[in-house]
Amino acid sequence: EIVLTQSPGTLSLSPGERATLSCRASQSVSSSYLAWYQQKPGQAPRLLIYGASSRATGIPDRFSGSGSGTDFTLTISRLEPEDFAVYYCQQYGSSPPQTFGQGTKVEIK
Amino acid sequence: QVQLVESGGGVVQPGGSLRLSCAASGFTFSSYGMHWVRQAPGKGLEWVAFIRYDGSNKYYADSVKGRFTISRDNSKNTLYLQMNSLRAEDTAVYYCAKDLFWFGELCPMDVWGKGTTVTVSS
Repeated sequence: EIVLTQSPGTLSLSPGERATLSCRASQSVSSSYLAWYQQKPGQAPRLLIYGASSRATGIPDRFSGSGSGTDFTLTISRLEPEDFAVYYCQQYGSSPPQTFGQGTKVEIK
Repeated sequence: QVQLVESGGGVVQPGGSLRLSCAASGFTFSSYGMHWVRQAPGKGLEWVAFIRYDGSNKYYADSVKGRFTISRDNSKNTLYLQMNSLRAEDTAVYYCAKDLFWFGELCPMDVWGKGTTVTVSS
């Protein structure tokens, strides 16, 4: 089973700042099958990025993903008020289980 | 519009059973794999199970293997999760979610329901 470790646990930033979230896998993620989700309190998760760097439909271009192998990054170029939320990475593909990271909370400083 | 609506949650005693349903609309249900994902109170996301678009392949998390069964009825556009031998640690909000790609398997999840709450307590 691939274990995903996200860092930091909490990121305290102000609107307009850049956010950089990390996701590290315990073993190489095949074909960059790595996704990022956003979840706000009381809501279901929303798919942001898949294939490590492809934005899902309707996702603003201030969200970008990068990385390969075992190290992946989600970057939010300029934080908008609606971006303060919890972010999860997930590995998917041919080898279940489809594990999630423990999450990074982006909070208003 | 594309929509998933879960139902069937509730309070059940340890060792009991519950069946969750997920009604799909707004897309060709029979062309997409489907997932169940859960979230314990105050915790992160845990993938639970997946079923291929035609029901031919099913996968489970180790934590539920042998106790939970995922199934689907494409004629009714409905996904199910039969949960037996429930434990306190199964207490969570259960979400159904749709595969991003049609005729794929174990893809990212692009549409989620609002979730249904399962509480296992005596």
